[in-house]
Amino acid sequence: KNEVEQSPQNLTAQEGEFITINCSYSVGISALHWLQQHPGGGIVSLFMLSSGKKKHGRLIATINIQEKHSSLHITASHPRDSAVYICAVKGSNYQLIWGAGTKLIIKP
Amino acid sequence: DSGVTQTPKHLITATGQRVTLRCSPRSGDLSVYWYQQSLDQGLQFLIQYYNGEERAKGNILERFSAQQFPDLHSELNLSSLELGDSALYFCASSVVVGTSEQFFGPGTRLTVL
Repeated sequence: KNEVEQSPQNLTAQEGEFITINCSYSVGISALHWLQQHPGGGIVSLFMLSSGKKKHGRLIATINIQEKHSSLHITASHPRDSAVYICAVKGSNYQLIWGAGTKLIIKP
Repeated sequence: DSGVTQTPKHLITATGQRVTLRCSPRSGDLSVYWYQQSLDQGLQFLIQYYNGEERAKGNILERFSAQQFPDLHSELNLSSLELGDSALYFCASSVVVGTSEQFFGPGTRLTVL
Protein backbone atom coordinates (compact mmCIF):
# COMPACT_ATOMS: atom_id res chain seq x y z
CA LYS A 1 0.00 0.00 0.00
CA ASN A 2 1.34 3.42 -0.95
CA GLU A 3 1.98 5.85 1.86
CA VAL A 4 0.12 8.57 -0.04
CA GLU A 5 -3.03 7.72 -1.93
CA GLN A 6 -4.90 10.13 -4.17
CA SER A 7 -8.38 9.77 -5.55
CA PRO A 8 -9.68 9.84 -8.11
CA GLN A 9 -6.83 9.02 -10.49
CA ASN A 10 -8.66 10.68 -13.34
CA LEU A 11 -11.48 13.20 -13.27
CA THR A 12 -13.36 14.77 -16.16
CA ALA A 13 -15.91 17.48 -15.44
CA GLN A 14 -17.79 20.27 -17.16
CA GLU A 15 -16.80 23.90 -16.83
CA GLY A 16 -18.33 25.45 -13.74
CA GLU A 17 -18.51 22.27 -11.69
CA PHE A 18 -17.19 22.05 -8.13
CA ILE A 19 -14.17 19.75 -8.04
CA THR A 20 -12.84 17.73 -5.11
CA ILE A 21 -9.58 15.79 -5.13
CA ASN A 22 -8.71 13.67 -2.12
CA CYS A 23 -5.42 12.68 -0.53
CA SER A 24 -4.99 10.12 2.25
CA TYR A 25 -1.72 9.27 3.91
CA SER A 26 -0.56 6.66 6.35
CA VAL A 27 2.56 8.25 7.85
CA GLY A 28 3.09 10.95 10.43
CA ILE A 29 3.62 14.22 8.67
CA SER A 30 4.84 17.72 9.41
CA ALA A 31 3.11 19.29 6.42
CA LEU A 32 1.18 18.49 3.27
CA HIS A 33 1.81 20.03 -0.11
CA TRP A 34 -0.57 20.42 -3.04
CA LEU A 35 1.02 21.04 -6.42
CA GLN A 36 -0.24 21.48 -9.94
CA GLN A 37 1.55 20.12 -13.00
CA HIS A 38 0.52 21.60 -16.31
CA PRO A 39 0.39 19.60 -19.54
CA GLY A 40 3.67 21.23 -20.57
CA GLY A 41 5.34 19.77 -17.48
CA GLY A 42 5.76 22.83 -15.26
CA ILE A 43 5.06 22.34 -11.56
CA VAL A 44 3.43 25.05 -9.47
CA SER A 45 3.15 24.95 -5.72
CA LEU A 46 -0.47 25.61 -4.73
CA PHE A 47 -0.60 25.15 -0.96
CA MET A 48 1.43 23.94 1.93
CA LEU A 49 -0.57 23.28 5.07
CA SER A 50 -0.22 21.52 8.37
CA SER A 51 -3.67 22.20 9.81
CA GLY A 52 -7.06 23.64 8.98
CA LYS A 53 -7.83 25.26 5.69
CA LYS A 54 -6.24 27.57 3.16
CA LYS A 55 -7.86 29.46 0.29
CA HIS A 56 -6.36 31.08 -2.76
CA GLY A 57 -8.74 32.39 -5.36
CA ARG A 58 -10.96 29.52 -6.49
CA LEU A 59 -8.80 26.91 -4.78
CA ILE A 60 -9.38 25.65 -1.25
CA ALA A 61 -7.29 23.08 0.58
CA THR A 62 -8.25 21.42 3.83
CA ILE A 63 -6.48 18.95 6.05
CA ASN A 64 -7.67 16.73 8.89
CA ILE A 65 -4.63 15.56 10.82
CA GLN A 66 -6.56 13.06 12.96
CA GLU A 67 -8.06 11.37 9.90
CA LYS A 68 -4.84 11.74 7.86
CA HIS A 69 -6.76 13.19 4.98
CA SER A 70 -6.64 16.31 2.83
CA SER A 71 -8.87 17.63 0.09
CA LEU A 72 -8.29 20.12 -2.68
CA HIS A 73 -11.40 21.88 -3.97
CA ILE A 74 -11.79 23.97 -7.07
CA THR A 75 -14.86 26.18 -7.33
CA ALA A 76 -16.30 27.34 -10.65
CA SER A 77 -13.87 25.12 -12.55
CA HIS A 78 -12.49 26.33 -15.86
CA PRO A 79 -10.72 24.52 -18.74
CA ARG A 80 -7.47 26.22 -17.73
CA ASP A 81 -7.66 24.25 -14.46
CA SER A 82 -6.96 21.10 -16.49
CA ALA A 83 -3.75 19.68 -15.10
CA VAL A 84 -2.38 16.96 -12.86
CA TYR A 85 -2.83 17.74 -9.18
CA ILE A 86 -0.27 16.17 -6.88
CA CYS A 87 -0.40 15.69 -3.14
CA ALA A 88 2.89 15.29 -1.30
CA VAL A 89 3.41 14.85 2.43
CA LYS A 90 6.46 15.84 4.36
CA GLY A 91 7.41 13.06 6.73
CA SER A 92 9.38 13.17 9.94
CA ASN A 93 12.66 13.24 7.99
CA TYR A 94 11.33 16.24 6.04
CA GLN A 95 11.42 14.35 2.76
CA LEU A 96 8.42 14.63 0.49
CA ILE A 97 6.44 11.47 -0.21
CA TRP A 98 4.52 11.91 -3.44
CA GLY A 99 1.08 10.77 -4.43
CA ALA A 100 0.57 9.48 -7.95
CA GLY A 101 -1.43 12.55 -8.98
CA THR A 102 -4.97 13.18 -10.17
CA LYS A 103 -5.41 14.06 -13.82
CA LEU A 104 -8.18 16.65 -14.13
CA ILE A 105 -9.82 17.60 -17.41
CA ILE A 106 -12.37 20.40 -17.48
CA LYS A 107 -14.46 20.48 -20.62
CA PRO A 108 -15.89 23.78 -21.89
CA ASP B 1 7.65 32.24 -12.33
CA SER B 2 8.94 30.42 -9.24
CA GLY B 3 12.35 32.08 -9.26
CA VAL B 4 14.10 28.74 -9.76
CA THR B 5 15.95 28.45 -13.06
CA GLN B 6 17.12 25.34 -14.82
CA THR B 7 19.29 24.93 -17.89
CA PRO B 8 19.11 23.58 -20.46
CA LYS B 9 15.39 23.26 -21.14
CA HIS B 10 15.90 20.37 -23.52
CA LEU B 11 18.77 18.00 -24.01
CA ILE B 12 19.09 15.24 -26.57
CA THR B 13 22.02 12.88 -26.34
CA ALA B 14 23.07 9.31 -27.04
CA THR B 15 23.44 6.27 -24.84
CA GLY B 16 26.72 6.09 -23.00
CA GLN B 17 27.16 9.85 -22.89
CA ARG B 18 27.41 12.15 -19.89
CA VAL B 19 25.40 15.33 -19.31
CA THR B 20 25.21 18.05 -16.68
CA LEU B 21 21.99 19.74 -15.65
CA ARG B 22 22.14 23.04 -13.85
CA CYS B 23 19.85 24.64 -11.30
CA SER B 24 19.85 28.07 -9.69
CA PRO B 25 17.63 28.28 -6.61
CA ARG B 26 15.44 31.21 -5.62
CA SER B 27 17.34 34.06 -4.08
CA GLY B 28 17.81 33.30 -0.39
CA ASP B 29 16.96 29.59 -0.63
CA LEU B 30 19.63 27.36 0.85
CA SER B 31 18.17 23.97 0.05
CA VAL B 32 18.07 22.36 -3.40
CA TYR B 33 16.26 19.16 -4.37
CA TRP B 34 16.50 17.10 -7.56
CA TYR B 35 13.63 14.98 -8.89
CA GLN B 36 13.21 12.69 -11.86
CA GLN B 37 9.90 12.22 -13.62
CA SER B 38 9.78 9.50 -16.25
CA LEU B 39 6.98 9.39 -18.82
CA ASP B 40 3.57 9.19 -17.14
CA GLN B 41 5.22 8.54 -13.79
CA GLY B 42 5.20 10.44 -10.55
CA LEU B 43 8.09 12.45 -9.22
CA GLN B 44 11.00 10.45 -7.83
CA PHE B 45 13.20 12.17 -5.29
CA LEU B 46 16.88 11.90 -6.19
CA ILE B 47 18.95 14.00 -3.82
CA GLN B 48 18.89 17.06 -1.60
CA TYR B 49 21.55 19.61 -0.70
CA TYR B 50 21.52 22.23 2.01
CA ASN B 51 24.03 25.06 1.98
CA GLY B 52 26.54 23.04 0.01
CA GLU B 53 26.21 19.76 1.86
CA GLU B 54 24.34 16.64 0.89
CA ARG B 55 21.34 16.21 3.19
CA ALA B 56 19.38 13.28 1.87
CA LYS B 57 19.52 10.71 -0.87
CA GLY B 58 16.56 9.10 -2.56
CA ASN B 59 16.42 6.75 -5.51
CA ILE B 60 19.55 8.09 -7.15
CA LEU B 61 21.57 5.73 -9.32
CA GLU B 62 25.32 5.38 -8.81
CA ARG B 63 25.78 6.72 -12.35
CA PHE B 64 24.24 10.00 -11.17
CA SER B 65 25.88 12.53 -8.91
CA ALA B 66 25.20 16.07 -7.81
CA GLN B 67 26.77 18.94 -5.97
CA GLN B 68 25.85 22.34 -4.64
CA PHE B 69 28.37 25.11 -5.07
CA PRO B 70 29.25 27.99 -2.72
CA ASP B 71 26.97 30.33 -4.70
CA LEU B 72 24.20 27.75 -3.98
CA HIS B 73 23.58 26.73 -7.56
CA SER B 74 23.52 22.99 -8.09
CA GLU B 75 24.47 20.59 -10.85
CA LEU B 76 23.20 17.08 -11.51
CA ASN B 77 25.60 14.90 -13.46
CA LEU B 78 24.26 11.90 -15.33
CA SER B 79 26.78 9.51 -16.84
CA SER B 80 26.78 6.30 -18.91
CA LEU B 81 23.32 7.31 -20.02
CA GLU B 82 20.76 4.66 -20.85
CA LEU B 83 17.49 4.91 -22.77
CA GLY B 84 15.60 4.61 -19.50
CA ASP B 85 17.19 7.80 -18.20
CA SER B 86 15.02 9.81 -20.59
CA ALA B 87 12.83 11.90 -18.31
CA LEU B 88 12.02 15.33 -17.00
CA TYR B 89 14.45 16.40 -14.32
CA PHE B 90 13.17 18.99 -11.88
CA CYS B 91 15.05 21.06 -9.41
CA ALA B 92 13.28 22.64 -6.45
CA SER B 93 14.48 24.97 -3.74
CA SER B 94 13.34 25.97 -0.29
CA VAL B 95 14.53 28.37 2.36
CA VAL B 96 15.51 25.71 4.85
CA VAL B 97 15.09 21.97 5.19
CA GLY B 98 12.14 21.66 7.53
CA THR B 99 8.57 22.58 6.73
CA SER B 100 9.51 25.13 4.10
CA GLU B 101 7.55 25.06 0.88
CA GLN B 102 9.45 23.84 -2.18
CA PHE B 103 9.43 25.89 -5.36
CA PHE B 104 10.05 24.12 -8.63
CA GLY B 105 12.04 25.05 -11.67
CA PRO B 106 10.66 24.53 -15.19
CA GLY B 107 12.54 21.26 -15.60
CA THR B 108 15.04 19.87 -18.08
CA ARG B 109 13.69 17.36 -20.58
CA LEU B 110 16.39 14.78 -21.28
CA THR B 111 16.04 12.48 -24.27
CA VAL B 112 18.52 9.64 -24.63
CA LEU B 113 18.57 8.10 -28.10
